[in-house]
Amino acid sequence: GQNIDQPTEMTATEGAIVQINCTYQTSGFNGLFWYQQHAGEAPTFLSYNVLDGLEEKGRFSSFLSRSKGYSYLLLKELQMKDSASYLCAVRDSNYQLIWGAGTKLIIKP
Amino acid sequence: DGGITQSPKYLFRKEGQNVTLSCEQNLNHDAMYWYRQDPGQGLRLIYYSQIVNDFQKGDIAEGYSVSREKKESFPLTVTSAQKNPTAFYLCASSISETNSEFFGPGTRLTVL
Repeated sequence: GQNIDQPTEMTATEGAIVQINCTYQTSGFNGLFWYQQHAGEAPTFLSYNVLDGLEEKGRFSSFLSRSKGYSYLLLKELQMKDSASYLCAVRDSNYQLIWGAGTKLIIKP
Repeated sequence: DGGITQSPKYLFRKEGQNVTLSCEQNLNHDAMYWYRQDPGQGLRLIYYSQIVNDFQKGDIAEGYSVSREKKESFPLTVTSAQKNPTAFYLCASSISETNSEFFGPGTRLTVL
């Protein structure tokens, strides 16, 4: 079966750095996505990786290793507004998105 | 402004009633999707459509139906056959199946 694993919850301090990991086992691979979802709201697109390596976008970076079935989302200079769930999703061989359950990130002052 | 709209934001229905959730987009996207989100679980695909007048079942299509008569619209009907319909329903669209998906604000359906 297809599976996306991410930690259920993480806590970090305002101003610090946090890394959210995602491991996947899917039938085929056509890209990995990270989304942010605030409570009660819709997910919003953060990043996309299809080749190995690091993609940087402001305070957020995303890394991919296809051989290891592994990705992480790195958030720097954490702000209180970064408190949200972070969803990892992989597009499989049928081009469908397979979603992880999300990591709830709690930021403390 | 371009975007995806879903209405209503909150919906209450009695058990045994069919209900239709609307999804409209003015992004000129070909592909549209319906997901269901339950606490502690990843998004699960109900139905998707890659082009007008064509749609495919996702992983949990039983008890749901859709139509795609216009490019802009992809309504979802939750029928009385859906055994556990209370959930947060999200509609999404993308330029094509290979691109990132953009989500509407969602409809929270509660069946009493």
